[in-house]
Amino acid sequence: QSVLTQPPSASGTPGQRVTISCSGSSSNIGRHTVNWYQQLPGTAPKLLIYSNNQRPSGVPDRFSGSRSGTSASLAISGLQSEDEADYYCAAWDDSLNGLVFGGGTKLTVL
Amino acid sequence: EVQMVQSGAEVKKPGESLKISCKGSGYSFTSYWIGWVRQMPGKGLEWMGIIYPGDSDTRYSPSFQGQVTISADKSISTAFLQWSSLKASDTAMYYCARRVVVTSTAYFFDYWGQGTLVTVSS
Repeated sequence: QSVLTQPPSASGTPGQRVTISCSGSSSNIGRHTVNWYQQLPGTAPKLLIYSNNQRPSGVPDRFSGSRSGTSASLAISGLQSEDEADYYCAAWDDSLNGLVFGGGTKLTVL
Repeated sequence: EVQMVQSGAEVKKPGESLKISCKGSGYSFTSYWIGWVRQMPGKGLEWMGIIYPGDSDTRYSPSFQGQVTISADKSISTAFLQWSSLKASDTAMYYCARRVVVTSTAYFFDYWGQGTLVTVSS
């Protein structure tokens, strides 16, 4: 069982907006910034959002992140077929003194 | 261009030892932490540990402490992950990644290696 809790699956149709939640605690999300990674099938994870809401160069502005208290969320607007992937949230945890990941959310574009 | 290039896939027997590598290029290798992440077949990401090649300061996840050894050779800009006695349960994809530290509460992995598939089977 992961320290950060994500829904195992999410889905949407092309053009829709979907959100993926990530729930943690005061020792991780409540104290440290949240990062989101996208893993396309058969590939390495890729940084999607860092420091709660910052996009690396090259990531479309359709992707956005937010954090409130001990939870975070990833929003994808204008859903496209190429967004079909696994999405992971991550944050440092002071109690474990290590990085913790969410269990991952498989996004399906219907 | 920053690149993290990992060594190739390995097939080993239980009880054998193994050392896989991750070569960083396009940046100052000694100035960034490098982390290792495990992904078992069909499962999620698990953080194993990190190393700072500048002084070899190493931190391990409690789940992996004593199970693996993380090291680095700054003369060849390469980090390593090694096992002394593999188990079938070590079968997984292993990724290395460069960690950026923004502040004491903000860090992330920005560049990832392509992954090394380790298969342990008798």
